[in-house]
Amino acid sequence: ETGVTQTPRHLVMGMTNKKSLKCEQHLGHNAMYWYKQSAKKPLELMFVYSLEERVENNSVPSRFSPECPNSSHLFLHLHTLQPEDSALYLCASSQDVGDNEQFFGPGTRLTVL
Amino acid sequence: SQKIEQNSEALNIQEGKTATLTCNYTNYSPAYLQWYRQDPGRGPVFLLLIRENEKEKRKERLKVTFDTTLKQSLFHITASQPADSATYLCALALYSSASKIIFGSGTRLSIRP
Repeated sequence: ETGVTQTPRHLVMGMTNKKSLKCEQHLGHNAMYWYKQSAKKPLELMFVYSLEERVENNSVPSRFSPECPNSSHLFLHLHTLQPEDSALYLCASSQDVGDNEQFFGPGTRLTVL
Repeated sequence: SQKIEQNSEALNIQEGKTATLTCNYTNYSPAYLQWYRQDPGRGPVFLLLIRENEKEKRKERLKVTFDTTLKQSLFHITASQPADSATYLCALALYSSASKIIFGSGTRLSIRP
């Protein structure tokens, strides 16, 4: 649909698990983003990558670890999460950082037990 | 402190009327402002962008205004339809950081037949 896919769509994990979220964009964009969306709170920007280089890191706890192996793929590695980390995690891409329009994926609904 | 506020959490109007959503901000210098639509269980979808030197933008039944003196943007949907029911998000892009876009918490719009 938007050219940005995310897997899995739903994830339930315990606090001691390690899991990864995957994002892929088929738009030829150079910038990719991770956002967190909690209930009744604004979208929070977590990480920004431009041409595989991290350009923004918004004081995100180290239990979230991003990886961008190439400009089409973005991962978010999760370990020892807390229940308050339960949220919708959205990936987005844009032609370049600071470009006008971001294209969002459908998100991964994460529940931490 | 810096804030983005969208006028209400929810707005309920009659089909055919014009829906007006408000986005107010304080202590930001935005380069431009965007409006997105988000349906339940999906990522936001870009609708319109307006730059700080523009007063008004239109796209089909949508109109956005931007008043940098009032620090306010208005988003209008004319001849509203039940299919317009969704959450609408405003987002500011800052001069100070090309990679940073700050989102409001959204207004949930319901159009009743």
